[in-house]
Amino acid sequence: GESVGLHLPTLSVQEGDNSIINCAYSNSASDYFIWYKQESGKGPQFIIDIRSNMDKRQGQRVTVLLNKTVKHLSLQIAATQPGDSAVYFCAEKRNNNDMRFGAGTRLTVKP
Amino acid sequence: DAGVIQSPRHEVTEMGQEVTLRCKPISGHNSLFWYRQTMMRGLELLIYFNNNVPIDDSGMPEDRFSAKMPNASFSTLKIQPSEPRDSAVYFCASSLGQGAEAFFGQGTRLTVV
Repeated sequence: GESVGLHLPTLSVQEGDNSIINCAYSNSASDYFIWYKQESGKGPQFIIDIRSNMDKRQGQRVTVLLNKTVKHLSLQIAATQPGDSAVYFCAEKRNNNDMRFGAGTRLTVKP
Repeated sequence: DAGVIQSPRHEVTEMGQEVTLRCKPISGHNSLFWYRQTMMRGLELLIYFNNNVPIDDSGMPEDRFSAKMPNASFSTLKIQPSEPRDSAVYFCASSLGQGAEAFFGQGTRLTVV
């Protein structure tokens, strides 16, 4: 079956640096792509989403890029802070509200 | 708003017992999702409802699992009989409309011994 983000890599960055978290997807029929942040002991928390007809969307300190040609999604976090340390998941959402998650990336921010 | 409320937060039960997990979605939301999270399999979609109607339950692992949404403000996920491999964190999430962000509860950590 199709899936999103088959890996659980880790990313370690220095406080103040920019972080880039990547995700590969395989279902070209998805309408939305979403990034979630999950801190230890908590449920996933929405960060930002992007529709399939866009290639870039910016939020506060975060930017999501979508490359449909290679089926790649990325999350850029500017000036990474210790509070950004968490597991980040990409998810895809289809028109019928079906939302599937990738494996996640653990981000560690070193002070 | 208190957000999505799940109960219990922790559940420890013996193999073979029935387990019922509960979820109260955010008021006014019309979609509800049940997910299971494990280290091995990550976040798996078990079932989701639109307007209280189950849309896709293909993620429910076995007939031992069942979910209901009798009204817009309550859903249950039941496992009967439970097995040790069901041990996981179970999340409920709700959203309003298609394409909207989903809000997750704090999860129920289930341990089956």
